[in-house]
Amino acid sequence: EPEVTQTPSHQVTQMGQEVILRCVPISNHLYFYWYRQILGQKVEFLVSFYNNEISEKSEIFDDQFSVERPDGSNFTLKIRSTKLEDSAMYFCASSELVRVYGYTFGSGTRLTVV
Amino acid sequence: GQQVMQIPQYQHVQEGEDFTTYCNSSTTLSNIQWYKQRPGGHPVFLIQLVKSGEVKKQKRLTFQFGEAKKNSSLHITATQTTDVGTYFCAGALSNDYKLSFGAGTTVTVRA
Repeated sequence: EPEVTQTPSHQVTQMGQEVILRCVPISNHLYFYWYRQILGQKVEFLVSFYNNEISEKSEIFDDQFSVERPDGSNFTLKIRSTKLEDSAMYFCASSELVRVYGYTFGSGTRLTVV
Repeated sequence: GQQVMQIPQYQHVQEGEDFTTYCNSSTTLSNIQWYKQRPGGHPVFLIQLVKSGEVKKQKRLTFQFGEAKKNSSLHITATQTTDVGTYFCAGALSNDYKLSFGAGTTVTVRA
């Protein structure tokens, strides 16, 4: 079964550093998303991406965050100048048709900011 | 903004018993989806409900979408240890690209 692949599985970074989280969505999916989950809490929407541009973003997704689809396969989330409160599990997801099929989530990247 | 509330937050169930988790939205939804997240895992899509009053079954799991498309429920019968995990509902508005997740119901099972 097709999978969404995320790398790295765990990233430890110093406060103030930049990190790039990488995702390879399912190849025929058109919609891409980033969510995050602080330990033990709900899954929070960050951003959705379609047709090479952001279609929607949440209040969490401020200027420190950016997304890119640099080539035909990768979908990245960049966090500039990380803060302690950015520590969370970051999930990438993709879907074939919005509101028609469910999302396929990747296994996540656990980001720890120290 | 759109709020999706889910209760209860925790459900401790004796193996073999039934339980229900409920999801409520502050706004009318175009569809609602349910996901299961095993401990240490990622959300896995279970099902999507689109029509008002829709009921779908997956073996021991019964999903229902309310008539007003603002609430949903998941009922599990004869709970097994494999049902352990957190069940999230996630709702989408008509014009949204995103899903808004509820806080989840974390299920533990006593053998």
